[in-house]
Amino acid sequence: NAGVTQTPKFRVLKTGQSMTLLCAQDMNHEYMYWYRQDPGMGLRLIHYSVGEGTTAKGEVPDGYNVSRLKKQNFLLGLESAAPSQTSVYFCASSRVRMTGVQDYGYTFGSGTRLTVV
Amino acid sequence: GQQVMQIPQYQHVQEGEDFTTYCNSSTTLSNIQWYKQRPGGHPVFLIQLVKSGEVKKQKRLTFQFGEAKKNSSLHITATQTTDVGTYFCAGLEYGNKLVFGAGTILRVKS
Repeated sequence: NAGVTQTPKFRVLKTGQSMTLLCAQDMNHEYMYWYRQDPGMGLRLIHYSVGEGTTAKGEVPDGYNVSRLKKQNFLLGLESAAPSQTSVYFCASSRVRMTGVQDYGYTFGSGTRLTVV
Repeated sequence: GQQVMQIPQYQHVQEGEDFTTYCNSSTTLSNIQWYKQRPGGHPVFLIQLVKSGEVKKQKRLTFQFGEAKKNSSLHITATQTTDVGTYFCAGLEYGNKLVFGAGTILRVKS
C-alpha cells in the first residue's frame, strides 16, 4: 500500500518552461488536493478535486492548471513557469466525509521540490 | 475567507521541557486537525477534534478544541528529540475545505 505517490521528487525549470507534476493514490479516496509550501506561509491550497472529472480552484490557483481524468490520479500543470513558483508542492488525498466518522485526515505525498531559475 | 493563525512561529526547548502551540480561527470551525511534519518530510495527520471543548490525548500529546470552536492547542509534555518538526493546525469550515495555519517549528536541545 503506497498511499500517495508524487513524481518527480525534484525538478529545476527555466523561466517560461512547462511541466506536469503527477500524483497517484491507491486508497480509493474521492478527494485530492494540490498544496504549495513556502517558508513561513504554511500550506496553501492551489486546486482540489472532489471526484473524477471535477476540479476547483483553491487559494492560489493562478499560473496552474489541473486535471483528474482518473480517480486515482491528479495532475498539476505549470504552463509557463515563473520564479515565484519555486516551492515545495504536496499532493494529498482524503475520503468523503461522513457523519459520525472521525478520521478525515489528509494523506500527503512526499512532495516535489521545484526550482524555477 | 477563513484565516487560521498559529503561534508561536518558532520554539526552541530543552529536552524534558513542555511545549504548547496555539491555533486561532477567524470563523467557527466544524473540526480542527493537527499534523506533524518532520524536517525534510511531509505532513502526517495526528488527530481530529470535532466537539466543542473536546480534549484528546496521544501519549505525551494533549489536544484541545475550544468551547466556541474557534481555537485549539497542542501540548507536549516532557519533549524528546523525536518531537522535533513543524506542527500544523488545520481548520475545516462548515461544508468547506481545510485551511492550514503557518505552523510552529519545534526544536529540542538535548
